[in-house]
Amino acid sequence: DAGVTQSPTHLIKTRGQQVTLRCSPKSGHDTVSWYQQALGQGPQFIFQYYEEEERQRGNFPDRFSGHQFPNYSSELNVNALLLGDSALYLCASRTWGEGELFFGEGSRLTVL
Amino acid sequence: GNSVTQMEGPVTLSEEAFLTINCTYTATGYPSLFWYVQYPGEGLQLLLKATKADDKGSNKGFEATYRKETTSFHLEKGSVQVSDSAVYFCALSDPPGQGAQKLVFGQGTRLTINP
Repeated sequence: DAGVTQSPTHLIKTRGQQVTLRCSPKSGHDTVSWYQQALGQGPQFIFQYYEEEERQRGNFPDRFSGHQFPNYSSELNVNALLLGDSALYLCASRTWGEGELFFGEGSRLTVL
Repeated sequence: GNSVTQMEGPVTLSEEAFLTINCTYTATGYPSLFWYVQYPGEGLQLLLKATKADDKGSNKGFEATYRKETTSFHLEKGSVQVSDSAVYFCALSDPPGQGAQKLVFGQGTRLTINP
């Protein structure tokens, strides 16, 4: 049983570029959340998707957007990258409203 | 809004020492409380949780008790091992059954255990 899988694991972009990160939830899960973890900090909630809709959003600008597909997988898009967007981006999945949240190993984004 | 404050690290202990990592929270109502662990190069893993006051979560020798009166959820282990070296995060969420239940994390405490 595969857990939460994320791709790519590492990537480097330059300021102003756009990036797309991908996540496949754990089998049986229908809800996907994204978190940003800056170096030396705790993860911060970006948003959560269920039934292909954004259900809750943290304090992140509109440059951060997402999508959930019918197979429950999800993408995180960040436009107009800033140096401060450099972080580990974590995807997590669960069953809506219940159960343990399972995290992937993350995608490490470096913005130069 | 909800927030979590953790004991600042890093924490360095010798093997078999007693461990306490302090965690306090600010929240309305009765949040669920969690400890997550992040081993080097890995994602976050749930270590233990408690969903109501006076509940004790436990796993792998670690324990934490939900203290509503002191708004705390301190992590303890009686005898640490080198393999416990990791970053530990305290977190809270809305109670079970309340929709999105985003997690709010503390800043993390890096623990190093020396042999």
